[in-house]
Amino acid sequence: EVQLVESGGGLVQPGGSLRLSCAASGFTFSSYEMNWVRQAPGKGLEWVSYISSSGSTIYYADSVKGRFTISRDNAKNSLYLQMNSLRAEDTAVYYCATVVTLSYYFDYWGQGTLVTVSS
Amino acid sequence: EIVMTQSPATLSVSPGERATLSCRASQSVSSNLAWYQQKPGQAPRLLIYGASTRATGIPARFSGSGSGTEFTLTISSLQSEDFAVYYCQQYNNWPRWTFGQGTKVEIK
Repeated sequence: EVQLVESGGGLVQPGGSLRLSCAASGFTFSSYEMNWVRQAPGKGLEWVSYISSSGSTIYYADSVKGRFTISRDNAKNSLYLQMNSLRAEDTAVYYCATVVTLSYYFDYWGQGTLVTVSS
Repeated sequence: EIVMTQSPATLSVSPGERATLSCRASQSVSSNLAWYQQKPGQAPRLLIYGASTRATGIPARFSGSGSGTEFTLTISSLQSEDFAVYYCQQYNNWPRWTFGQGTKVEIK
């Protein structure tokens, strides 16, 4: 069974940093492209960042470019999101999601971790 | 950026009735359109991809249609577990994925 479990969320002050993790199991993590997607309270879904299976190709939404860094450790079956210079508008539930190879829709999602940016 | 617009924002339907949800793209996305279902406090779940292909384990009462800029998700006979928020997503323009703002299907 595919499982994605996010962790690392919490309350952080504006300008602060946080590192999210996504632990994967039940599939060959190293073969899958991955994304982070976020959802502000009561709002819709927003794509945040993408990383290829090897980690060699990375993309970011304009809203987080220069502040967030996606990475992965295939030996540990883990995906990460380093978030710096956090703003109030980054407050959201952050989900990791698998990308279907060569098709690019998202098939499996974790349960999410809440990040709250507030003073 | 491709803007995805869903309508209506809220749909009130009685159990057993049909629900029809619409999604429009600001430019053609071919058939590269997915639908997701999200219940309160849960992650989104993939329902439909390729505009009309049901994902594994999705009941046949869910169907998708359309191509280009106009898409429809139909739930033929609403069950209690179907009351949720539904999002469309285009992946034609990856990695610039975009989602619609969602349609909430509520009990009438």
